[in-house]
Amino acid sequence: DIVMTQSPDSLAVSLGERATINCKSSQSVLYSSNNKNYLGWYQQKPGQPPKLLIYWASTRESGVPDRFSGSGSGTDFTLTISSLQAEDVAVYYCQQYYRSPYTFGQGTKLEIK
Amino acid sequence: QVQLVQSGAEVKKPGASVKVSCKASRYTFTSYTVHWVRQAPGQRLEWMGWINAGNGNTKYSEKFQGRLTITRDTSASTAYMELSSLRSEDTTVYYCASSVAGTDNNWFDPWGQGTLVTVSS
Repeated sequence: DIVMTQSPDSLAVSLGERATINCKSSQSVLYSSNNKNYLGWYQQKPGQPPKLLIYWASTRESGVPDRFSGSGSGTDFTLTISSLQAEDVAVYYCQQYYRSPYTFGQGTKLEIK
Repeated sequence: QVQLVQSGAEVKKPGASVKVSCKASRYTFTSYTVHWVRQAPGQRLEWMGWINAGNGNTKYSEKFQGRLTITRDTSASTAYMELSSLRSEDTTVYYCASSVAGTDNNWFDPWGQGTLVTVSS
């Protein structure tokens, strides 16, 4: 199985500041034939299901604010929130869909400093 | 807006089976794959398996082989997840989620609201 490891486990950032979450996969999730990274990012708030933010490592889902961006390739990926808002407090997960079983990172809890 | 609505919470005894439903609305059910994902308290999300709602093909995580059965009823636009031989470690929230069938686009959107399954004697 592909193991997804996020860092840090928790993060406290001041309102309006940048938040950066990292995700590393145990194998590359870049498919060479189409040059796409099979990596998504989700946001989960307490008592709610996860919500898709990013797919193909950097494509923002419709309706997701543009302060959310994804980057990286191969085995190393980053989710960046450019200017933290109060409503961004949540747990964030990365997920690989390169190969089943589709696996998730352990989550990064984002709080306000 | 595509929507997935799951059945309500269940309490089961060890060794029993549970069947959770996931009803889709506002989209063409047979154009999508329905995945099942579970999440124990404080744990990472765990993918269990999927069903192609169009052709009925399934794929299961090896971890659940032999205990997990995913089915669908196209006339009801509903997918089902049945887990047997329940044990205490299966106490968790189960989610359904969809992706576009027949493609590599296996990110999950949307998700159902979740169903809590409690296994207790």
